[in-house]
This record gives sequence, structure tokens and C-alpha cells, in this order.
Amino acid sequence: NAGVTQTPKFRVLKTGQSMTLLCAQDMNHEYMYWYRQDPGMGLRLIHYSVGEGTTAKGEVPDGYNVSRLKKQNFLLGLESAAPSQTSVYFCASSLSGGAYEQYFGPGTRLTVT
Amino acid sequence: GQQVMQIPQYQHVQEGEDFTTYCNSSTTLSNIQWYKQRPGGHPVFLIQLVKSGEVKKQKRLTFQFGEAKKNSSLHITATQTTDVGTYFCAGPILTGGGNKLTFGTGTQLKVEL
Repeated sequence: NAGVTQTPKFRVLKTGQSMTLLCAQDMNHEYMYWYRQDPGMGLRLIHYSVGEGTTAKGEVPDGYNVSRLKKQNFLLGLESAAPSQTSVYFCASSLSGGAYEQYFGPGTRLTVT
Repeated sequence: GQQVMQIPQYQHVQEGEDFTTYCNSSTTLSNIQWYKQRPGGHPVFLIQLVKSGEVKKQKRLTFQFGEAKKNSSLHITATQTTDVGTYFCAGPILTGGGNKLTFGTGTQLKVEL
């Protein structure tokens, strides 16, 4: 099993550009999550999904959109990137909700200039 | 809303010294999870505690869940350079969109020879 994979690993964007981050998991997990991690801020939840076709807002959803068309994939979109979105983005999945451990992907380091 | 706080934010120790990080929740938790993130890596699940007053050990790591299930601690005995990283606690919160983890801000551990 590959676990949780993320593409791309690194990306540099100019302000105003758009991009999509892809997360894939092969563990048949119901829940998937997108976090951002900034120095000293810990992990902040952007959006999450409790199953195929569902999405919900997390703690810091503004400027991001997500889709979960297939159970194994969770996409994070930035429609118009801003320097404040420079961060490391982690995708995670879990079998179900808060009682279950989360498995994290390797992360995407995004820089917006 | 529910918050999960961790102290200290940073800790420098000499190799061989002990280390403890503390996690406190504003509300009672059904369980507490601990994760470790190595520098440049992604968070990796360490353990889950469920019962009031529970204590679990993993080699030199001792995890405790408070009697009131609102606090937890991670103690490392005789630190080694391999213990370097950031340690996060996480507890589940129940929202209209499902039951998901709230991560603490993390404690960054540095071990010097």
C-alpha cells in the first residue's frame, strides 16, 4: 500500500495564479482532510470530507475549494493564489472520525510570490 | 469552541535528559492521540489513549491521560537525537459535519549532544 500520496511535492506560484493539489489514499478511508502548517501555528484544518461527494469547511477555509468526486481522491484548489497562502499543505485520511488515527501524506511545499 | 493547548512550545535538552510535554483541552475528550513530526517530515501517529487515568509506554516514551480526560502528557526518558521533532496531541470534537480531530499547537524538541 502506498498510503497517502500528494502531488506535487513543491510548487512556486505567482500571485493570482491558480492550482490544484491532489491527494490520493489507497486504504479505503472514509474521512479525508487538508491541513496547512505554518511556523509556530501547528496544523490548521482547511477543509475535510466525511465521504465521497461530501465536503465541509474547517478552521481556515477562505481562499480554498475542495472536491471529493471519488472516495480515494481529495482535491484542494486555490483559485487566485496570495502570498498568505505560502505554506506546507498536508493531506490526511482516517477510517472514520475523531476516534481513529489519521494517516498523513508527505506534504506539498507551496510558495506564492 | 473547543481548544487543545500544548506547553511548552519549544524545548532544548541535552542528550540523556528527560523531556515532558503537556496537553490541555477546554472540554472532556473521548480520546487523545499523539503524533510525531520529524524535521521536514509529516506527522506520524504514535498512540491513542481512551480510558480515564490511562498510562501507556512505548520504550522510553510514557503517555498519560488525565483522570478528568481533559489533559494528557508525553514523557521521554533519557532523550536521544532520534527524538528530535515536533510532538502534537490531538483530541476529537463533534461538529455538524462529523467528528474530527483538533490538533494542539505542538512542542518542538531539540536534543543537543
